[in-house]
Amino acid sequence: DQQVKQNSPSLSVQEGRISILNCDYTNSMFDYFLWYKKYPAEGPTFLISISSIKDKNEDGRFTVFLNKSAKHLSLHIVPSQPGDSAVYFCAASWGGGGSEKLVFGKGTKLTVNP
Amino acid sequence: KAGVTQTPRYLIKTRGQQVTLSCSPISGHRSVSWYQQTPGQGLQFLFEYFSETQRNKGNFPGRFSGRQFSNSRSEMNVSTLELGDSALYLCASSSWTGGGGYTFGSGTRLTVV
Repeated sequence: DQQVKQNSPSLSVQEGRISILNCDYTNSMFDYFLWYKKYPAEGPTFLISISSIKDKNEDGRFTVFLNKSAKHLSLHIVPSQPGDSAVYFCAASWGGGGSEKLVFGKGTKLTVNP
Repeated sequence: KAGVTQTPRYLIKTRGQQVTLSCSPISGHRSVSWYQQTPGQGLQFLFEYFSETQRNKGNFPGRFSGRQFSNSRSEMNVSTLELGDSALYLCASSSWTGGGGYTFGSGTRLTVV
């Protein structure tokens, strides 16, 4: 049973445009959501997170939106840059962030074309 | 500030052998988690240690085990290796001061032949 789903295995956008990566979850106990970015042969790098008490968190070009009623979150990257090309993982945890177990989606490979 | 260090980076083992992977967390981080990444399954949680105690365990067979030392360094061991154990094994450390998530190492690429 996959509790965190990223239904799009890949996404291709033009440089300067918006990239929208989506993530759905099934476990209503999740209360903390994170996005990680991963380059080949490297470990995932933390990007941005959001607590379930919020519906939006912004950090520079990256914004995460959370829709609890739909159990859906999305990551917006504006404007997209070629260096953003990587695999993006959505992850969720519960226990107020104190539980050290993350459940990951299978990732979306983003390609930003110059 | 040094990151999470995993050794070795690459490893080739034969079916039936055992392997030990090492992880040194960021200084001051007491929580260490291990994940397995495969193309088909993505990142899957193996286990998490905090202050030398296993706090969480994923759905992996007993061949997968781990431990944490008093200096927070952690090791994971896989016994009786199978071809399906070939994967990237990632270690992550966390202080959970809020909002920062985990810091991952670069991983150990294990190939079982």
